[in-house]
Amino acid sequence: QVQLQQWGAGLLKPSETLSLTCAVYGGSFSGYYCTWIRQPPGKGLEWIGEINHSGNSNYNPSLKRRVTISIDTSKNQFSLKLRSVTAADTAVYYCARGVDPAPDYWGQGTLVTVSS
Amino acid sequence: DIQMTQSPASLSASVGDRVTISCRASQGISNNLAWFQQKPGKAPKSLIYAASSLQSGVPSKFSGSGSGTDFTLTISSLQPEDFATYYCQQYNSYPFTFGPGTKVDIK
Repeated sequence: QVQLQQWGAGLLKPSETLSLTCAVYGGSFSGYYCTWIRQPPGKGLEWIGEINHSGNSNYNPSLKRRVTISIDTSKNQFSLKLRSVTAADTAVYYCARGVDPAPDYWGQGTLVTVSS
Repeated sequence: DIQMTQSPASLSASVGDRVTISCRASQGISNNLAWFQQKPGKAPKSLIYAASSLQSGVPSKFSGSGSGTDFTLTISSLQPEDFATYYCQQYNSYPFTFGPGTKVDIK
């Protein structure tokens, strides 16, 4: 049974860097896409970006200047960094994994609040 | 970016009803479309990929169809656990984009 467990700081000040990590249990990265998606409170889903087991990444152009997704295949983990956050980055952040670029398993979500 | 629209935005239905949700892409996306179910306060759950393929463990009352720009999610017989918001997502072209969601609630 594949499970994704994510963690990271939930309260940030403007201009700080958001940092989240997602561990995949019961599965591997080989051949899979590892994705980050966010959801502002009361709103819909926004695709942030993805990385594959080879370390090739793709990002949403709306965030590309500020985002980095990395992978550590030795730990079955992948991470998200979003620099220079503002209140507009307040959202629940989800990690997900999929054979297709579309996810099949999701993490539990982490609410990240940006407030001074 | 490819724009995804869903209709209706919300619907009220009864247990046992057959429910159909539509998703339209602003340009052709072949069959690179997924459907997700989300309940309040929970992570989305993956239902369908490649427009019509069921994710592992998803009951067969869910089905998907379509190709190109028009897609449909059907729930054959609505059960209490199916009341949720449903999202479509295209993964044909970067950046991948989601529809705004369709909320299914109890009539």
